[in-house]
Amino acid sequence: AQSVTQPDIHITVSEGASLELRCNYSYGATPYLFWYVQSPGQGLQLLLKYFSGDTLVQGIKGFEAEFKRSQSSFNLRKPSVHWSDAAEYFCAVGAPGNTGFQKLVFGTGTRLLVSP
Amino acid sequence: EPEVTQTPSHQVTQMGQEVILRCVPISNHLYFYWYRQILGQKVEFLVSFYNNEISEKSEIFDDQFSVERPDGSNFTLKIRSTKLEDSAMYFCASSDPSGAEAFFGQGTRLTVV
Repeated sequence: AQSVTQPDIHITVSEGASLELRCNYSYGATPYLFWYVQSPGQGLQLLLKYFSGDTLVQGIKGFEAEFKRSQSSFNLRKPSVHWSDAAEYFCAVGAPGNTGFQKLVFGTGTRLLVSP
Repeated sequence: EPEVTQTPSHQVTQMGQEVILRCVPISNHLYFYWYRQILGQKVEFLVSFYNNEISEKSEIFDDQFSVERPDGSNFTLKIRSTKLEDSAMYFCASSDPSGAEAFFGQGTRLTVV
């Protein structure tokens, strides 16, 4: 069965510093991979996705992620964090459903705190 | 930009009562989903809906849950007899005909007291 592991429950980063959030997945075939962000009390906003092709994908808000098949990883990065980036970040893998849709399997999330 | 809308944003209900959570998916989308997030936990898949029937459901989606697309625009989740453990944020999502990417609504926070 598909699974996603986000090993860091909380991460604190100073404003302006770089960020890397880790994500490892378990899936038998080429995965569809996603990063979502959730601000407190809000819904899920898609940051970026990987379906195929270039393994370095660019997303919104200056985020990028790199798919590494050999490591089963899809880590999220940002070169310079802003205070508004403080939120919960979820990695997800798309698992094919019965009729061609992608059922998402989420990781447990990483809460990002940004210190001044 | 098209978006998935959910109503209400917050609902409080007494244990044993029925609730209906409502969603308006993006208009040209064909796949519809409900996910659930219990406070402090990860987002979990509940059910997918395609071509006016359930396509797949998780073990969480037991007989007290049902989904319906009563007209051309709404997609509803009904919980027949709510339990305390049903308290959670419920997210509706929809995908375009490729089924590849889900767009999420802002969620309905359900509190069962």
